[in-house]
Amino acid sequence: DTGVSQNPRHKITKRGQNVTFRCDPISEHNRLYWYRQTLGQGPEFLTYFQNEAQLEKSRLLSDRFSAERPKGSFSTLEIQRTEQGDSAMYLCASSLETSVEETQYFGPGTRLLVL
Amino acid sequence: DQQVKQNSPSLSVQEGRISILNCDYTNSMFDYFLWYKKYPAEGPTFLISISSIKDKNEDGRFTVFLNKSAKHLSLHIVPSQPGDSAVYFCAASAEVGGGADGLTFGKGTHLIIQP
Repeated sequence: DTGVSQNPRHKITKRGQNVTFRCDPISEHNRLYWYRQTLGQGPEFLTYFQNEAQLEKSRLLSDRFSAERPKGSFSTLEIQRTEQGDSAMYLCASSLETSVEETQYFGPGTRLLVL
Repeated sequence: DQQVKQNSPSLSVQEGRISILNCDYTNSMFDYFLWYKKYPAEGPTFLISISSIKDKNEDGRFTVFLNKSAKHLSLHIVPSQPGDSAVYFCAASAEVGGGADGLTFGKGTHLIIQP
């Protein structure tokens, strides 16, 4: 079990540039989540995939944010025309859907700094 | 409005003593509660969870208590060890595992274990 991995771990970009982050979930997990965490706050839910279907995207912060999960495997989160307010830690989590207890396991996150 | 509240930003406890971290919630639809631990520059690590059909769950040094009528839960760590120093997040969801609404997190409590 290699856990959830995220790449890159750090990203520095200039305002107005597009950035894309990748998340590789635990291999047998069919659910995948994206969160954003800013300083002094807890993670904030952004979007959710069950297999390849994106079942919740209304929480995405604006239409500059989009996420995909082709073939129900890895996922990407793209931010277009980045703004300084997008600077945050972007966390990915995955879980295996069960009827009893189900736990989200988080990756190490991608820290984004927009200059 | 904050649906999950951790009112103590920090807590200092002596090594070997009991650490008690508190969490309150306002959404009566929440049915599943989790505690995560986070070190700097890492993603949250799952500690322990409890569903609303229970009032206590224990795992080694960690015990979570749930008081549904008061909409309050607490995490007890006994005995506290230096490696327990981290930020602890309380999280809740209406669906096991999070589902379409993801997990709702509190702002976290920074636990400092003093030797």
